[in-house]
Amino acid sequence: QKEVEQDPGPLSVPEGAIVSLNCTYSNSAFQYFMWYRQYSRKGPELLMYTYSSGNKEDGRFTAQVDKSSKYISLFIRDSQPSDSATYLCAMIRNQGGKLIFGQGTELSVKP
Amino acid sequence: GAVVSQHPSWVICKSGTSVKIECRSLDFQATTMFWYRQFPKQSLMLMATSNEGSKATYEQGVEKDKFLINHASLTLSTLTVTSAHPEDSSFYICSASVAGGLYEQYFGPGTRLTVT
Repeated sequence: QKEVEQDPGPLSVPEGAIVSLNCTYSNSAFQYFMWYRQYSRKGPELLMYTYSSGNKEDGRFTAQVDKSSKYISLFIRDSQPSDSATYLCAMIRNQGGKLIFGQGTELSVKP
Repeated sequence: GAVVSQHPSWVICKSGTSVKIECRSLDFQATTMFWYRQFPKQSLMLMATSNEGSKATYEQGVEKDKFLINHASLTLSTLTVTSAHPEDSSFYICSASVAGGLYEQYFGPGTRLTVT
C-alpha cells in the first residue's frame, strides 16, 4: 500500500465549477501537508501548505486537513481554464524530512 | 522570491555518454537540495538528498555510481548521469529548501533527458 493515495483522474469540469481534489494517507506521523500544481513539462509549484488539521484559504483555493480520517482536500472555486494542470498532494513528517507525494490528479477545466 | 533554475531544460545524448544537469537557487541559500525523477503521468520519485558540503543521501534502489550528485555551494547542486542508457530517459527535477526554513521545497522547472 502506498503511503499517499491520490486518484490520478483525469478530471474534467466546466469553467466556473467547484473542484474537489483529495488524498488519503496511511501514516499518522505526517504533520505538514502541501498541494502543488504542475503544468505540463514544468516543475511543481507550491500552492498551499497546512500544518496539522484545519482549513486554510487563499483566494479561490481552500485546503482542508482531517488528521483523524487521514484525509486532505483542495477545493478550487470558480475554476478557470488556466487551472488546468496536475495537482499533487504532498506531506512530510517533520522539519527537514522527506516529501511524500501522491500520484497527482490531472485536471482539465473546459471553457 | 525562492526561484530555482535548472540547466539545461532539455538534453539529448547518446547511449554511453554522461550528462550533467545543474540546479541553482537564484535568490536564496539552500542548505538542502533534492533530486527527483518523474515518468510520464506519474508522481515525483525522490532520488537523493544533498546537503551543502556533504555526500548525498540516496534513496533505496538509486545507483549512486550512476547518478553522481555534487552540492558544492549553497546555491548550486549538480546531477551527473554517467554512462547513460535509454532507460535513463526521464524528466529530472530538483528542489531546494531555504536555509533555516521549515518544510517548503521550491522546485526547478525540470530537465528532460532523452538518451538515444
